[in-house]
Amino acid sequence: DTGVSQDPRHKITKRGQNVTFRCDPISEHNRLYWYRQTLGQGPEFLTYFQNEAQLEKSRLLSDRFSAERPKGSFSTLEIQRTEQGDSAMYLCASRSGQVGDNEQFFGPGTRLTVL
Amino acid sequence: DQQVKQNSPSLSVQEGRISILNCDYTNSMFDYFLWYKKYPAEGPTFLISISSIKDKNEDGRFTVFLNKSAKHLSLHIVPSQPGDSAVYFCAASIYNFNKFYFGSGTKLNVKP
Repeated sequence: DTGVSQDPRHKITKRGQNVTFRCDPISEHNRLYWYRQTLGQGPEFLTYFQNEAQLEKSRLLSDRFSAERPKGSFSTLEIQRTEQGDSAMYLCASRSGQVGDNEQFFGPGTRLTVL
Repeated sequence: DQQVKQNSPSLSVQEGRISILNCDYTNSMFDYFLWYKKYPAEGPTFLISISSIKDKNEDGRFTVFLNKSAKHLSLHIVPSQPGDSAVYFCAASIYNFNKFYFGSGTKLNVKP
């Protein structure tokens, strides 16, 4: 399977704990995105990487959130001191970055529940 | 600020008939639009896209229409099939801006 993969698929944590999610994009894709999706809403942009450089961050990404893509391949999203409002589906997407290629390929998401 | 809106949360259509899903946007700088389909427990999958230099793009049973003056796009599915039952999201971007804005989705139910 050469699609975008995310791990874990589900995470239940207690308020105040830290969590980390991983995303493995399609191997030749140099652009990687993180989104958050809550019930009844579409994906909301969180942050974007081109290779290892984090080029844009949404205002939604508070100081408790940090994302990395250290070698320009997989990426991690960490949430510190989780709050109940962080409960959501966290989606990762990648795209090739070739001129004219705007299609993003999404992973299955990580569903976070904060108790 | 919701720059992409899908005002119909759900749509029910009989198998074989046409499904029309609508999307409105507010940012006149958007010049690339996409439709994604999402099944439960899966990530969204790309369906069809259109550039602002076109007003129509067709791919099999799926056609997207763009009305720039009205800042409106629609997705037509003809004929609708039960397997099309899913949540459909429209998304918009400014070319090479690398940021995509999604609508809230429309849940399509195609009845056999």
